[in-house]
Amino acid sequence: GNSVTQMEGPVTLSEEAFLTINCTYTATGYPSLFWYVQYPGEGLQLLLKATKADDKGSNKGFEATYRKETTSFHLEKGSVQVSDSAVYFCALRDAGGTSYGKLTFGQGTILTVHP
Amino acid sequence: EAQVTQNPRYLITVTGKKLTVTCSQNMNHEYMSWYRQDPGLGLRQIYYSMNVEVTDKGDVPEGYKVSRKEKRNFPLILESPSPNQTSLYFCASSFGGQGLYEQYFGPGTRLTVT
Repeated sequence: GNSVTQMEGPVTLSEEAFLTINCTYTATGYPSLFWYVQYPGEGLQLLLKATKADDKGSNKGFEATYRKETTSFHLEKGSVQVSDSAVYFCALRDAGGTSYGKLTFGQGTILTVHP
Repeated sequence: EAQVTQNPRYLITVTGKKLTVTCSQNMNHEYMSWYRQDPGLGLRQIYYSMNVEVTDKGDVPEGYKVSRKEKRNFPLILESPSPNQTSLYFCASSFGGQGLYEQYFGPGTRLTVT
């Protein structure tokens, strides 16, 4: 079955540091890939997505590139802010078949940014 | 404001006492889904619904029931809760019956079963 593996956390950074959160996946075919963010006490929000190989998703200074050859979708940001402190989830969705919208999530990475 | 709402947000209950967690969306979405979030496991799908009266099991359906009598509502029912159902629950909805568009998540319901 499908699976998503994220780098172990938590991650603690100083403001303006560079962020990378690794994500690799196992899936058949060509899944869509997502990063979701969960701020304290809130539900998940879609941060960015990519639907085919070599696509780059970007939003709010975050970027991730769909790498089919390495089955990866690493999240990066050049300069983090305290307001980026949250839990980040990598997820995939099958391109079709009978999964009907099911998202397969990684375990989540807690990011804390200090001033 | 477009949103998915869940009630209650927090619930502490005892083993075996039936409970219902409500989920409602105001976006006229066909697709709705329930997930549970557990430390180290991410989110796992419990049930989903492609439209009114159309529901199916996700990856971890044991111990749960759902119904979809109206398009906007998708309640999660625990008929005899057990401690292993202590978790954070999220409802999500999406345009279209197959859930292939962006999924919007509710704020979560934290359930503790003692």
